[in-house]
Amino acid sequence: DAGVIQSPRHEVTEMGQEVTLRCKPISGHNSLFWYRQTMMRGLELLIYFNNNVPIDDSGMPEDRFSAKMPNASFSTLKIQPSEPRDSAVYFCASSFLGGPTNEKLFFGSGTQLSVL
Amino acid sequence: QQQVKQSPQSLIVQKGGISIINCAYENTAFDYFPWYQQFPGKGPALLIAIRPDVSEKKEGRFTISFNKSAKQFSLHIMDSQPGDSATYFCAASLNTDKLIFGTGTRLQVFP
Repeated sequence: DAGVIQSPRHEVTEMGQEVTLRCKPISGHNSLFWYRQTMMRGLELLIYFNNNVPIDDSGMPEDRFSAKMPNASFSTLKIQPSEPRDSAVYFCASSFLGGPTNEKLFFGSGTQLSVL
Repeated sequence: QQQVKQSPQSLIVQKGGISIINCAYENTAFDYFPWYQQFPGKGPALLIAIRPDVSEKKEGRFTISFNKSAKQFSLHIMDSQPGDSATYFCAASLNTDKLIFGTGTRLQVFP
């Protein structure tokens, strides 16, 4: 298995532009998580899905952020409009909740977002 | 109630020394306590984990010590190596719910 695949690896954009981050979870996993990592706040959970349904989006900072999971093999995190304070590394992670190793979270390599 | 507090923020250890990172939690219902290791440019990866029915778990040079009454758990890295230099995150979860991560500890091991 190729693991959790995120794209792009790096994104540089200008303030006000729309940004879309993409994630392909590990096949067979039923849960997908979006995290944001910054020096100041560490790893923050933004939203997570179980069986493609958003379960907890309390970490989404504001309405400029939205996430979708149209099927079990794809998810997007969109920021519109982007702001410089959104600059961070965004991680996608997946796991299988409900099994014997249900808590083991597998992370992608992240998307480094810079908003100028 | 949902927080996991981690210390220290950064740690410098000589090669061969013991690295110790501590975490404290508030929610007594948490039942799973993993540690994740993150190298620069990579996502965190599971290192070792423990459940509250045991007080210690060892895997190679890595040991988790768990104190249920104090609501604390710690990671010990014996014979620390330069290759152990990374950021370490503790975490906790309730049943099959989401993981709550600590703020991370940046470990540097010098030869």
